[in-house]
Amino acid sequence: QKEVEQNSGPLSVPEGAIASLNCTYSDRVSQSFFWYRQYSGKSPELIMSIYSNGDKEDGRFTAQLNKASQYVSLLIRDSQPSDSATYLCAVLMDSSYKLIFGSGTRLLVRP
Amino acid sequence: NAGVTQTPKFQVLKTGQSMTLQCAQDMNHNSMYWYRQDPGMGLRLIYYSASEGTTDKGEVPNGYNVSRLNKREFSLRLESAAPSQTSVYFCASSENGLNTEAFFGQGTRLTVV
Repeated sequence: QKEVEQNSGPLSVPEGAIASLNCTYSDRVSQSFFWYRQYSGKSPELIMSIYSNGDKEDGRFTAQLNKASQYVSLLIRDSQPSDSATYLCAVLMDSSYKLIFGSGTRLLVRP
Repeated sequence: NAGVTQTPKFQVLKTGQSMTLQCAQDMNHNSMYWYRQDPGMGLRLIYYSASEGTTDKGEVPNGYNVSRLNKREFSLRLESAAPSQTSVYFCASSENGLNTEAFFGQGTRLTVV
């Protein structure tokens, strides 16, 4: 079992819709969780980080964390074609600082 | 603002050749990472270093060695390159602690023929 799992997609949504991206992780002691966006041929860049149970909102993005279910998600409201990219979930293993990524979900926003 | 700098950006090797990928960061970060990215595979951790003088294996360490030369520099060495090591390699660094962002270099595209 991979330590961080994501659906590879592609997830296709129309412009203006809500895109929902999901991630599960296996290590119960993980403390910090991240969503990175990666455009084709580019380096990953951070969108959101979260380490407390519940929701964290930043503009059109909301990260949700449920540690009991070992589940983290990213909601993108009012999706734009420029949001089309691969979204990578990452988990920081506490104390070791080992940072593990999922395989990424490709998002396509249709104009 | 250099951030994380990787060299080279592109490299073609013949099977069996060796090479070292260089990474340097100027943000005084404690942790540094080496990842490889293959199509549809996300980022897979090769090795990481949580502080100067320490290195640890990640998910796919076989065929690689690393050196944390000092706090700024973290190099990745392929002793005998194989076609299976054809990939894009990313170096990243971060401060240690909760909610700390990892910053990435621009990547090295390596082809082994």
